[in-house]
Amino acid sequence: DSGVTQTPKHLITATGQRVTLRCSPRSGDLSVYWYQQSLDQGLQFLIQYYNGEERAKGNILERFSAQQFPDLHSELNLSSLELGDSALYFCASSVMAGDYGYTFGSGTRLTVV
Amino acid sequence: KNEVEQSPQNLTAQEGEFITINCSYSVGISALHWLQQHPGGGIVSLFMLSSGKKKHGRLIATINIQEKHSSLHITASHPRDSAVYICAVRRGSEKLVFGKGTKLTVNP
Repeated sequence: DSGVTQTPKHLITATGQRVTLRCSPRSGDLSVYWYQQSLDQGLQFLIQYYNGEERAKGNILERFSAQQFPDLHSELNLSSLELGDSALYFCASSVMAGDYGYTFGSGTRLTVV
Repeated sequence: KNEVEQSPQNLTAQEGEFITINCSYSVGISALHWLQQHPGGGIVSLFMLSSGKKKHGRLIATINIQEKHSSLHITASHPRDSAVYICAVRRGSEKLVFGKGTKLTVNP
């Protein structure tokens, strides 16, 4: 157990639907990162939050949004789902913003049918 | 051309062999990470490097900033080392850019 908890582990949903992925960072970590891993694109950075505020944005679609709550857990919302959104979604946390190393969760496998 | 290139894409070795995985990047970076992704999908951070060399058990990571190149070495490889090894670079922002990964299979 890495200390980063992601739920659910697996999710199957239909095109056009909306889902929410949840991440609880390791105790003491203030920064949360979301990544998408698809077969054709590999791992891609989506977005980062630090202590409740958005810190950096990567290749995140407008249909996707995220937030970090006062208790530091984060949620990634994916809407108007398309087949191409099927992927592994990873959350990682670190102590601070900046390069302090990362602890990854086990991922949520999203399948859009 | 990808910003981060790894070689080889696939590597098969016999137990006990010395293994080297290479990573080259095309831009200036603030740090380089080596990650291990197990067959089940989970990702573990192995090393974070900004210069020189780091060692952890049978794993050694080196980086040459001038040549924009890093290597991950595994000594006395074991079947449990079978995984995908991913190189990622940080370019001053919070964003990590990832290589495509090297799939390592170590046969007993």
